[in-house]
Amino acid sequence: DAMVIQNPRYQVTQFGKPVTLSCSQTLNHNVMYWYQQKSSQAPKLLFHYYDKDFNNEADTPDNFQSRRPNTSFCFLDIRSPGLGDAAMYLCATREGIRSTEAFFGQGTRLTVV
Amino acid sequence: AQKVTQAQTEISVVEKEDVTLDCVYETRDTTYYLFWYKQPPSGELVFLIRRNSFDEQNEISGRYSWNFQKSTSSFNFTITASQVVDSAVYFCALSSQGAQKLVFGQGTRLTINP
Repeated sequence: DAMVIQNPRYQVTQFGKPVTLSCSQTLNHNVMYWYQQKSSQAPKLLFHYYDKDFNNEADTPDNFQSRRPNTSFCFLDIRSPGLGDAAMYLCATREGIRSTEAFFGQGTRLTVV
Repeated sequence: AQKVTQAQTEISVVEKEDVTLDCVYETRDTTYYLFWYKQPPSGELVFLIRRNSFDEQNEISGRYSWNFQKSTSSFNFTITASQVVDSAVYFCALSSQGAQKLVFGQGTRLTINP
């Protein structure tokens, strides 16, 4: 059974129209991450939560926001998607204390038209 | 600063050949963790192995083996008798103890041809 679930798998949005991607986990992990991965590139960390503490990467555009209403759910909001935001968005979780491996969801592939 | 370098962008071999994927890392921390992930065409990153900095024992799991050498800051991954299903992008990653970030290398696209 999937432990990190991302919805939807594929998302098409219009240029400038706000879009939300969701992630849920059944692992009860403290840490949740959002990564952006463009074609043939490594995943790039956008931000992460340690419990309710939000940690934004310095180079993450303001256009990207996140919410974590509870342990199980985390959302990625893109306020005004541009063509350059088309990418695979990966959610991951990690126990946090013992630097164990991260578990990834299947990703949401975002297309901006 | 932490950095992971996977110098091989793409590798292509014929099925049943052995193949080694290289990973070199940089960190000032004395305690850290190294990982390998596989990303098949479906997109999900699949965890393969974690290695602690204080444990230099090499590991073998079926056709997979890993060679960790602190002296050269390398954590190489070998697939023996490769199969078409091994075709994927493989990422090496690094994390320091207590740090929440995983730093990824650029990935190596492995193609196994029948």
